[in-house]
Amino acid sequence: DAKTTQPPSMDCAEGRAANLPCNHSTISGNEYVYWYRQIHSQGPQYIIHGLKNNETNEMASLIITEDRKSSTLILPHATLRDTAVYYCIVRAGSNDYKLSFGAGTTVTVRA
Amino acid sequence: DAGITQSPRYKITETGRQVTLMCHQTWSHSYMFWYRQDLGHGLRLIYYSAAADITDKGEVPDGYVVSRSKTENFPLTLESATRSQTSVYFCASRGAAPDTQYFGPGTRLTVL
Repeated sequence: DAKTTQPPSMDCAEGRAANLPCNHSTISGNEYVYWYRQIHSQGPQYIIHGLKNNETNEMASLIITEDRKSSTLILPHATLRDTAVYYCIVRAGSNDYKLSFGAGTTVTVRA
Repeated sequence: DAGITQSPRYKITETGRQVTLMCHQTWSHSYMFWYRQDLGHGLRLIYYSAAADITDKGEVPDGYVVSRSKTENFPLTLESATRSQTSVYFCASRGAAPDTQYFGPGTRLTVL
């Protein structure tokens, strides 16, 4: 699996967009980018994933660069409930069941 | 309740005792997983199961036993608990649309 690099922490103001970067410079052509988050004392929660096109769902948007070596998760209007550890994970799709969680980015949303 | 549940949510036991953590999912997902989460190590895969009666080791299987006689249940047993097995344990199942894992709320286990 490709390794990912995320900043250890970031702050965000409530109501503003939170942009979470992730570098995955060794990603292979068949590998997807997945984002999960873990709110304190809860299990990880799936947010979004993509292969090469930008993706949007009710929780967030995922922007993947054209060379696929990095991506950005965007929380459009951060709320206090978005305070969590966010994990960027690369995996090879339906034939690969594994999820390798790194240290993630601790996002603190401040009022 | 629909989804994935774990029981108990909290457990305190003593060294040497057998402990079983339960995991139940209502989606009929084929794949199920057990992870442990410790400070400084993140989430680590203990065991996984591709279907009923099919299980395999993950990254840290020593000291654990699993079984899967029914699709919806995937219990994890610590046959002789040790202090190093104090951790938070998460069960997950893999869905198809989207292809991702859905996690339970976790069991916080303390071994004294």
